[in-house]
Amino acid sequence: SQTIHQWPATLVQPVGSPLSLECTVEGTSNPNLYWYRQAAGRGLQLLFYSIGIDQISSEVPQNLSASRPQDRQFILSSKKLLLSDSGFYLCAWSPDPGYGYTFGSGTRLTVV
Amino acid sequence: GQQVMQIPQYQHVQEGEDFTTYCNSSTTLSNIQWYKQRPGGHPVFLIQLVKSGEVKKQKRLTFQFGEAKKNSSLHITATQTTDVGTYFCAGSNTGNQFYFGTGTSLTVIP
Repeated sequence: SQTIHQWPATLVQPVGSPLSLECTVEGTSNPNLYWYRQAAGRGLQLLFYSIGIDQISSEVPQNLSASRPQDRQFILSSKKLLLSDSGFYLCAWSPDPGYGYTFGSGTRLTVV
Repeated sequence: GQQVMQIPQYQHVQEGEDFTTYCNSSTTLSNIQWYKQRPGGHPVFLIQLVKSGEVKKQKRLTFQFGEAKKNSSLHITATQTTDVGTYFCAGSNTGNQFYFGTGTSLTVIP
């Protein structure tokens, strides 16, 4: 069966520090991958999505970037974190466009 | 990106009462999905609707897609404490990426 792993679960980082969040999917190949951010008590904002290696689309211009170095690995990065980057970051995958998403357990990021 | 609005933002009900959340899009959707997020957890996929006027049921949950494919609703009959959480709709007009609504947080009072 397919599983999605996301780490770390929680992270406290100072303003201006770099960020790297990793997400991996097991048990499937060529998944569609997504990064969402959820601010406290708010909805989910789509940040990036990828339909294949080196095929990444950005939805929101900001100081975050995403990479997909391997088929089942999706990484969210920042060179310098801002206070406004705090939130709950969720990785998700789907087998094909139009299918339901399976979310990872998320990373709670607090920028201090 | 696409705008998907949900109302109400919060809903408190007595256990056994019914609950409905509504989702509205500014554009015609090809697909709409519904998710449930328990407090402290991550969203879990419930269902997808693709046809105009489609109605689907999952036990006490009834999902409906509007005729114009610009709105949707989730109705829970006779709520239970296990229904607590935030319910999100997510719409797409391409079927590739989905834009989530603002969510409705449901509290069930025993």
